[in-house]
Amino acid sequence: SQQGEEDPQALSIQEGENATMNCSYKTSINNLQWYRQNSGRGLVHLILIRSNEREKHSGRLRVTLDTSKKSSSLLITASRAADTASYFCATDASDSGAGSYQLTFGKGTKLSVIP
Amino acid sequence: DVKVTQSSRYLVKRTGEKVFLECVQDMDHENMFWYRQDPGLGLRLIYFSYDVKMKEKGDIPEGYSVSREKKERFSLILESASTNQTSMYLCASSSGDKNEKLFFGSGTQLSVL
Repeated sequence: SQQGEEDPQALSIQEGENATMNCSYKTSINNLQWYRQNSGRGLVHLILIRSNEREKHSGRLRVTLDTSKKSSSLLITASRAADTASYFCATDASDSGAGSYQLTFGKGTKLSVIP
Repeated sequence: DVKVTQSSRYLVKRTGEKVFLECVQDMDHENMFWYRQDPGLGLRLIYFSYDVKMKEKGDIPEGYSVSREKKERFSLILESASTNQTSMYLCASSSGDKNEKLFFGSGTQLSVL
């Protein structure tokens, strides 16, 4: 079942600008993760934020989490052409019970960074 | 460097054929997963395994089966391929808490004609 939904579906920016992508979800979560996928390739894990965290940084990436609004955002600062990819959020639902599996992916935001 | 390897990058099969997609990980991970990815639908979980010889159905197991005889290898089997199984198939693995940090293979683009 799909839980995370990214917004916008596509985003085009100039190199050097910041890119912001949003993810909304429906149920309580244990954690939320962001992944990146280059065209036609597998996904690469970028960052994980737990439900008791509000903000996390990794290099040029900044992730925020608002559990009251059931939403997260991924900010890429000073974007580069190499950041062109699709970005997915994935949520781990907290009501899935011990030992169960409930990591579900959204449909992704396609980011294009123009040199 | 950690690695999840899928045996084929591209595969073309005919309707009714039995298809094997192989995935091997070198990280000694307990958990392995098979997803399919389709435009407009995102990633959908087919099957996963949290131990050798163990398997669990995901969201869309119909038409598929899996095999995990060794810890490092997880195979996806299409018993009788159909055109609606044309898709990108992604294998992933994780250790410990299976809901954290998946490592993905490069994917197999399967076309069923």
